Amino acid sequence: NAGVTQTPKFQVLKTGQSMTLQCAQDMNHEYMSWYRQDPGMGLRLIHYSVGAGITDQGEVPNGYNVSRSTTEDFPLRLLSAAPSQTSVYFCASSYDPYDYGYTFGSGTRLTVV
Amino acid sequence: AQTVTQSQPEMSVQEAETVTLSCTYDTSESDYYLFWYKQPPSRQMILVIRQEAYKQQNATENRFSVNFQKAAKSFSLKISDSQLGDAAMYFCAYRSARTSGSRLTFGEGTQLTVNP
Repeated sequence: NAGVTQTPKFQVLKTGQSMTLQCAQDMNHEYMSWYRQDPGMGLRLIHYSVGAGITDQGEVPNGYNVSRSTTEDFPLRLLSAAPSQTSVYFCASSYDPYDYGYTFGSGTRLTVV
Repeated sequence: AQTVTQSQPEMSVQEAETVTLSCTYDTSESDYYLFWYKQPPSRQMILVIRQEAYKQQNATENRFSVNFQKAAKSFSLKISDSQLGDAAMYFCAYRSARTSGSRLTFGEGTQLTVNP
């Protein structure tokens, strides 16, 4: 049981480049989400999904796209990277909307130069 | 919108001593969940403890306990018998019981140092 797997762990992009951060879970969790972590700001929700085919915006969605074609995978796409998107990105999943225990991936540290 | 505030950017404690991390939140809802997460240098987010707003009894997990004051909208974390492995960033988080999805609202975090 691998839990939540995020790839890559580190990435450097040039301004304007696009890329996809991968997130996969093997726990059959319906609920998945993406957060970004910035110093002094905690974690902020980017996008989330309540099941395959269903996604919605969080607090800071601009510049990011998501899709959920399967229960297992929830990729995050940066359309045109900007230095303001330099951050640590976390994917999280949970089984029940009222559960207690979100499983987080180990994070992706992204630097945009 | 809900907000979560951690007013202590940094805290330190001597090994084997007790430390309390503060968290306040703002919400107009009556049913919600509160969490404390630990983030060690490995960056992994680890759930420490959880509290349901409708429960008056404070949650406890081994050396970790909370002081939940619903009227004051306060949710502090007490770590007893601190150990070197407790050194980490600690985040307080709020989740509405009414909205679906994995929508957590986090505080800014408190960096805890444990001195030997």
